Amino acid sequence: KAGVTQTPRYLIKTRGQQVTLSCSPISGHRSVSWYQQTPGQGLQFLFEYFSETQRNKGNFPGRFSGRQFSNSRSEMNVSTLELGDSALYLCASTQEGGPGTEAFFGQGTRLTVV
Amino acid sequence: AQSVTQLGSHVSVSEGALVLLRCNYSSSVPPYLFWYVQYPNQGLQLLLKYTSAATLVKGINGFEAEFKKSETSFHLTKPSAHMSDAAEYFCAVRLPTGGGNKLTFGTGTQLKVEL
Repeated sequence: KAGVTQTPRYLIKTRGQQVTLSCSPISGHRSVSWYQQTPGQGLQFLFEYFSETQRNKGNFPGRFSGRQFSNSRSEMNVSTLELGDSALYLCASTQEGGPGTEAFFGQGTRLTVV
Repeated sequence: AQSVTQLGSHVSVSEGALVLLRCNYSSSVPPYLFWYVQYPNQGLQLLLKYTSAATLVKGINGFEAEFKKSETSFHLTKPSAHMSDAAEYFCAVRLPTGGGNKLTFGTGTQLKVEL
């Protein structure tokens, strides 16, 4: 079965611009979570969507937002990009089955802000 | 709140030697614990998980981990390192209730395997 698909794989944007990243979860998975990975801060949780509703939110500024569609695909948006937003953004897809359920990760989108 | 501490951001072992990657957690309730591996320019892949069924957990690629409540630890081991084990390893914790599927990760340990 197909894995988690993130598009695009690489992006270069200029400070002040906005960007939208996409994540298609594994078929049947209704939970999608987003993480930011940087060398300095490691893996930080951004937010989780479940059945089109944000269920959890990390400690990021309001410039970071997301949404989920009825087919469970999710997008995250970052507005007014800053140099510090350069990171690998990972999406994780989880099938509801309790806290011990495995999260499956996509390959990520590498965002570079110049 | 829950947290994870991984001691040693870089670990180097010889091929064939024991691999030991350390993870200590902090949680107000019994947590669920995971070890993930990340190869360069890739996402994370699950190695193994602790879900309270058994304290010694076996995972893929010969890795295992033991949950020790008294030490709040979940260290990852492999008896004999292989060159293909070189990667970054992350320990993660998830709350049993109220946190959805949120994972809180440690800062990671880069494993280097030398000939």
